[in-house]
Amino acid sequence: AQSVAQPEDQVNVAEGNPLTVKCTYSVSGNPYLFWYVQYPNRGLQFLLKYITGDNLVKGSYGFEAEFNKSQTSFHLKKPSALVSDSALYFCAVIRWEQNSGGYQKVTFGIGTKLQVIP
Amino acid sequence: GAGVSQTPSNKVTEKGKYVELRCDPISGHTALYWYRQSLGQGPEFLIYFQGTGAADDSGLPNDRFFAVRPEGSVSTLKIQRTERGDSAVYLCASSPGTGVGYGYTFGSGTRLTVV
Repeated sequence: AQSVAQPEDQVNVAEGNPLTVKCTYSVSGNPYLFWYVQYPNRGLQFLLKYITGDNLVKGSYGFEAEFNKSQTSFHLKKPSALVSDSALYFCAVIRWEQNSGGYQKVTFGIGTKLQVIP
Repeated sequence: GAGVSQTPSNKVTEKGKYVELRCDPISGHTALYWYRQSLGQGPEFLIYFQGTGAADDSGLPNDRFFAVRPEGSVSTLKIQRTERGDSAVYLCASSPGTGVGYGYTFGSGTRLTVV
């Protein structure tokens, strides 16, 4: 079974400082990893993904994530936090299901609340 | 449409009542997924449609939950004899294909409250 762990319920960071939101995963086979952000009363919005290739993935709004196979981690980072980055962040791992013609099945972490302090 | 549309955005119902939640995916997206997000949790998979058929309904918690997609576009999630534990945000997502690289586009969700 695949799983995702987000060890921090909440991360607080001062505006302008670098931020990191942690994620570790457990999968059999190649990992396909995503980050989503959720603003209050809004749906989940895609930030970035790792499928294959470079370990450093760049995404929307200046976010990036580093895939580390030996540590089974996919931490989300941003060099300089903005107050508007305050939201709930979800790490997700995708498994490819072979049956029914093949499809992606996503397992989400429980989320990390990011609070950027002015 | 431009995005995934879910209606209603909020639904309050009494315990024991029947509810229907609607999802209008992005035009042309063949794959449609329903997820449930309980308070303080990440979204949990309920059901996946490829076209009109439910290819994977393993996440439906029990037989009170049922979903349809009769014409391969709009989907309706139906909950019978609602219970307070059904209170959650129900999210719909669609994808243009089933490949891993496609990702999902999510709707804003329906917040269901059972009182």
